[in-house]
Amino acid sequence: SQELEQSPQSLIVQEGKNLTINCTSSKTLYGLYWYKQKYGEGLIFLMMLQKGGEEKSHEKITAKLDEKKQQSSLHITASQPSHAGIYLCGADAASNYQLIWGAGTKLIIKP
Amino acid sequence: GAGVSQSPSNKVTEKGKDVELRCDPISGHTALYWYRQSLGQGLEFLIYFQGNSAPDKSGLPSDRFSAERTGGSVSTLTIQRTQQEDSAVYLCASSSRYSGTYHYEQYFGPGTRLTVT
Repeated sequence: SQELEQSPQSLIVQEGKNLTINCTSSKTLYGLYWYKQKYGEGLIFLMMLQKGGEEKSHEKITAKLDEKKQQSSLHITASQPSHAGIYLCGADAASNYQLIWGAGTKLIIKP
Repeated sequence: GAGVSQSPSNKVTEKGKDVELRCDPISGHTALYWYRQSLGQGLEFLIYFQGNSAPDKSGLPSDRFSAERTGGSVSTLTIQRTQQEDSAVYLCASSSRYSGTYHYEQYFGPGTRLTVT
């Protein structure tokens, strides 16, 4: 079973619309990482969040880590075809240094 | 600068054969990770190298899997007597450092798609 739950599993959005992807853990997260993956390619680092309440933005993508550090949301404003891909969250959630990963959210942008 | 590279990009092998997958991390990165990604699944941690420390092998699924990192740089993941369930994309990542509390961002290679027939 996934220790990090991502929702939704897939998302089809009209170009220009906003969208949100969530990543939820039952444990306190010590570091939360968002990555994007395109088919046949490796993962591209987007953002890392560490502090409860932290929010970071890059271009039209904003990620937040909630105060209790158990959930993060990724918000895309005015989506574009270039935003299509699979978004994965990863986290430090234990006393060891292994990262745990969500199963990913597949984002499709309709022109 | 050069990113993480992996070779081969695709590998098709017969069940029972051994395979070697190679990872060239970003120069100067002390941490190196191997992951496995099956279709529709998240990343499964396999092994972690940090500098000259003993690697964390706790994610290796069986004793058919092994990995080494020579000279603190290039790493090879070896799968012996491959099985069909080994079919997956094997991803390598490197990172500049680890604070002891949390990881810094990992830079991923494009992966090796392994198909065992």
